[in-house]
Amino acid sequence: AQSVTQPDIHITVSEGASLELRCNYSYGATPYLFWYVQSPGQGLQLLLKYFSGDTLVQGIKGFEAEFKRSQSSFNLRKPSVHWSDAAEYFCAVATSGTYKYIFGTGTRLKVLA
Amino acid sequence: GAGVSQSPRYKVAKRGQDVALRCDPISGHVSLFWYQQALGQGPEFLTYFQNEAQLDKSGLPSDRFFAERPEGSVSTLKIQRTQQEDSAVYLCASSFGTGAQETQYFGPGTRLLVL
Repeated sequence: AQSVTQPDIHITVSEGASLELRCNYSYGATPYLFWYVQSPGQGLQLLLKYFSGDTLVQGIKGFEAEFKRSQSSFNLRKPSVHWSDAAEYFCAVATSGTYKYIFGTGTRLKVLA
Repeated sequence: GAGVSQSPRYKVAKRGQDVALRCDPISGHVSLFWYQQALGQGPEFLTYFQNEAQLDKSGLPSDRFFAERPEGSVSTLKIQRTQQEDSAVYLCASSFGTGAQETQYFGPGTRLLVL
């Protein structure tokens, strides 16, 4: 069965520091991969997605993610974090021929001023 | 344009009460999803509609949960005889087409608390 693991429940970084949020998936074929952000009281907002092609994907708000097949990973990165990036981040996977997303348990990001 | 909206945003129910949660998807979106998000967890799939057809209800936790989308637009998730374990945020999402490559757009959710 497909699964998504986000090993870090909480991460704290200082404003201006770089950020990397980890995501590992379990699936045999190449999955469709997504990163969403959820701010308090808000719905999930798509940051970026990967289907095929270039393994480095650019998203909104200065985020990027890299698909590494050998490591079954799709880590999210940002070179310089802003205080407004404090939120919860979810990695999700879907597969060709299906429609449902499988979400990880999320990583809560705290940004120190 | 307008995104996915959900109502009510908050609902408190006494155990045993029935509740109805509404979802207004983005106009023209064919696909509609319901997810349940328990505290500290990621969203978990409940059910999927393609237009008015409910193609997958494999994630509904029990027969107390029922969803409908009679005209292929607005959807309602109904929970009968609510239990404390039903307390969660219920998220609705819609997408323009079908298939895993379609981006799902999420509403703000309905936070349900069962006392």
